[in-house]
Amino acid sequence: DTGVSQNPRHKITKRGQNVTFRCDPISEHNRLYWYRQTLGQGPEFLTYFQNEAQLEKSRLLSDRFSAERPKGSFSTLEIQRTEQGDSAMYLCASSSVRGDTEAFFGQGTRLTVV
Amino acid sequence: GQNIDQPTEMTATEGAIVQINCTYQTSGFNGLFWYQQHAGEAPTFLSYNVLDGLEEKGRFSSFLSRSKGYSYLLLKELQMKDSASYLCAAPDQLIWGAGTKLIIKP
Repeated sequence: DTGVSQNPRHKITKRGQNVTFRCDPISEHNRLYWYRQTLGQGPEFLTYFQNEAQLEKSRLLSDRFSAERPKGSFSTLEIQRTEQGDSAMYLCASSSVRGDTEAFFGQGTRLTVV
Repeated sequence: GQNIDQPTEMTATEGAIVQINCTYQTSGFNGLFWYQQHAGEAPTFLSYNVLDGLEEKGRFSSFLSRSKGYSYLLLKELQMKDSASYLCAAPDQLIWGAGTKLIIKP
């Protein structure tokens, strides 16, 4: 499978715990995006990387969220001290560096905080 | 501020034509994207417009007016499988609308 892969697909965690999600983009893609999506809403931009550089981070993103892409390949998104409001689908997408190219999405990680 | 507005929901009849509008206010502009998202699935790319005018791609067409900050997605010969949410996004896919849920009736 040469598409975008996200793991795990589902995560249930207790409030206050830390969680980490992984995204493996399409190999030749330089850009990698993280989004959060709740029911009935569009994807909410969290952050994006071009190669290993984190170029932009949403001002709405709290300090509990951090993302890395250490070698410009896979990326991880960590949420510390999870809250019930963090329950959502976390989507990863990748694209080539050109701004006019489509993004390819993974199937997402559904987080439920109980 | 930056934002993208779309109608929340639209209903159309199988075989008909529907137009889904999108208005945007962004600090920069590098093209506008349309994506389709079926319930429980990830968004998939439909179209990209960076210049004014109509781009046609089979049953789907997309229009852009940069001076008006306006785009629409036109779906022809609607099929039941077109029931989905349609999302517009700009620029560089960092800002997304909430999506328009399209319901197709027989």
